[in-house]
Amino acid sequence: SAVISQKPSRDICQRGTSLTIQCQVDSQVTMMFWYRQQPGQSLTLIATANQGSEATYESGFVIDKFPISRPNLTFSTLTVSNMSPEDSSIYLCSAAGGDTQYFGPGTRLTVL
Amino acid sequence: GQQLNQSPQSMFIQEGEDVSMNCTSSSIFNTWLWYKQDPGEGPVLLIALYKAGELTSNGRLTAQFGITRKDSFLNISASIPSDVGIYFCAGRHNLGTASKLTFGTGTRLQVTL
Repeated sequence: SAVISQKPSRDICQRGTSLTIQCQVDSQVTMMFWYRQQPGQSLTLIATANQGSEATYESGFVIDKFPISRPNLTFSTLTVSNMSPEDSSIYLCSAAGGDTQYFGPGTRLTVL
Repeated sequence: GQQLNQSPQSMFIQEGEDVSMNCTSSSIFNTWLWYKQDPGEGPVLLIALYKAGELTSNGRLTAQFGITRKDSFLNISASIPSDVGIYFCAGRHNLGTASKLTFGTGTRLQVTL
């Protein structure tokens, strides 16, 4: 199994600012993903973080709003840009190893 | 995006009771995963299923991969207070990690003493 850590665990931000979330996996994994979970809802995939190349975004998510980096096999960042209150959510990093997939503890973001 | 239908949406049970929840899809999946999410935490993997008809146990938890590959169920026997949380099913179309997970809508479990 993979152990995933995220920083920060939570933050309160002002609208119009940006926040970068870091994700570290304790072993090399093939795939890394970023999800959003709005209050009381299920998980929605934002994008697949590709090592050394541009992330692959799902419908409804764009690079300008959610730039993602993955410089190596164990680390990725997600930036939430130009935030508005609608961006208040839990953001989850995920890593796939073998045929299973694991999740980090999440970053709880509140935008005022 | 697509979501899997999970039922029930929520359930209140007494400690010691057995719990059953299921997940259905209009399309076929080759992998089913079951997760539990505690408040303020990320989802934790409970059971993974890779073959139609497969029945797998993890302690008091038992999950099955439906024969049609369009459904899965999770049973919890003799529930305890720490079973409280939200349970999510997730399906993947292709074997391996190349394809994405589709998540269910979740089942919120509450256990009373």
